Amino acid sequence: KAGVTQTPRYLIKTRGQQVTLSCSPISGHRSVSWYQQTPGQGLQFLFEYFSETQRNKGNFPGRFSGRQFSNSRSEMNVSTLELGDSALYLCASSSEGLAGTDTQYFGPGTRLTVL
Amino acid sequence: AQKITQTQPGMFVQEKEAVTLDCTYDTSDPSYGLFWYKQPSSGEMIFLIYQGSYDQQNATEGRYSLNFQKARKSANLVISASQLGDSAMYFCAMREPSSGDKLTFGTGTRLAVRP
Repeated sequence: KAGVTQTPRYLIKTRGQQVTLSCSPISGHRSVSWYQQTPGQGLQFLFEYFSETQRNKGNFPGRFSGRQFSNSRSEMNVSTLELGDSALYLCASSSEGLAGTDTQYFGPGTRLTVL
Repeated sequence: AQKITQTQPGMFVQEKEAVTLDCTYDTSDPSYGLFWYKQPSSGEMIFLIYQGSYDQQNATEGRYSLNFQKARKSANLVISASQLGDSAMYFCAMREPSSGDKLTFGTGTRLAVRP
């Protein structure tokens, strides 16, 4: 099976712009989660989608949003970019998203730089 | 309080020797899952091993084993016969039903394998 894919791999934007990141989960996986990784804050959970519905959300401002399509592919959007949004954004997929037992598999990440 | 604590920011190990990376966790859920991931400099999070809270035996996956001590709330990763390619960041993570489908990560341990 192909792994989780994320596009683009690298992105450079300026403050105030918006950005859309894409994630294609492992075939058959219905749960997609997004994480932000920065040197200062470490790995933080953004949100999780399951069957096109947001099921869980982390403590991020409303500028961060996402969606999931019927084929389980997911996108996340960040509007009005700030310098602090520079980070590695990781997408992870799991089959059913059942807490405790289901393993999340990660993509290679999108490295976003905001200038 | 930190949910996942990794007290070793960095460690060295000689090639072919074994190394233990520490992880302690905090949860009041009776059912939870513990995971270890490896993150090379490329950025991708690679799943290594999983331990369920009700599993009777310690998990093993090839050269990786998990020393699970439930009463002490510790889940240390043991890497046997270290290889140069094991040099990376290692993250301990937990999933608990009360937090939904998200992974809560520790701050990581950077492992360097010396030839």
